[in-house]
Amino acid sequence: SQKIEQNSEALNIQEGKTATLTCNYTNYSPAYLQWYRQDPGRGPVFLLLIRENEKEKRKERLKVTFDTTLKQSLFHITASQPADSATYLCALEVSNYQLIWGAGTKLIIKP
Amino acid sequence: DTGVSQDPRHKITKRGQNVTFRCDPISEHNRLYWYRQTLGQGPEFLTYFQNEAQLEKSRLLSDRFSAERPKGSFSTLEIQRTEQGDSAMYLCASSLGDGEETQYFGPGTRLLVL
Repeated sequence: SQKIEQNSEALNIQEGKTATLTCNYTNYSPAYLQWYRQDPGRGPVFLLLIRENEKEKRKERLKVTFDTTLKQSLFHITASQPADSATYLCALEVSNYQLIWGAGTKLIIKP
Repeated sequence: DTGVSQDPRHKITKRGQNVTFRCDPISEHNRLYWYRQTLGQGPEFLTYFQNEAQLEKSRLLSDRFSAERPKGSFSTLEIQRTEQGDSAMYLCASSLGDGEETQYFGPGTRLLVL
């Protein structure tokens, strides 16, 4: 069955540094992968989508890479700020726009 | 506000009772999704609609769960004979469809079954 793995432990990063989160998957070849941000008690908020034929996507301080050979996506936040503290979820398209989701990585940016 | 809305935001019920949740998607969105999320986990797909048609339903979804989208606009999710294991956050999301895959989520309905 499809499996998505994200670091289950919280990631602590000093303000101003780059935070890098990892999403690994097995047993599937998704057409695209998405990253979302979720704050406590709220629904996820879309951040970036990257397709299987794209290596890298950027949006302001965010960068996503997608390596279909390694079956891995990396999500980077540069010049991190305390306001970036949240849980970050990756989601893979499996069929007909249906997504399966990782458990998320909690990111804590310390001032 | 033109975002996705859900009602109620919180629901406490006793085991064995039926509950119904409502989701109002973004108005021009054709696709509507229901998810369940428990603490420390990602959203778990339950079902989705393309307009009024329910196109897919998770095999994990028991017969106690049913969803409708009668006019292709709002949707309801009903859980019959609730069990303590149904306690979770129920999330609704919508997307434009037609190749636009970004999903926009509502605030969720938090269900607690006593």
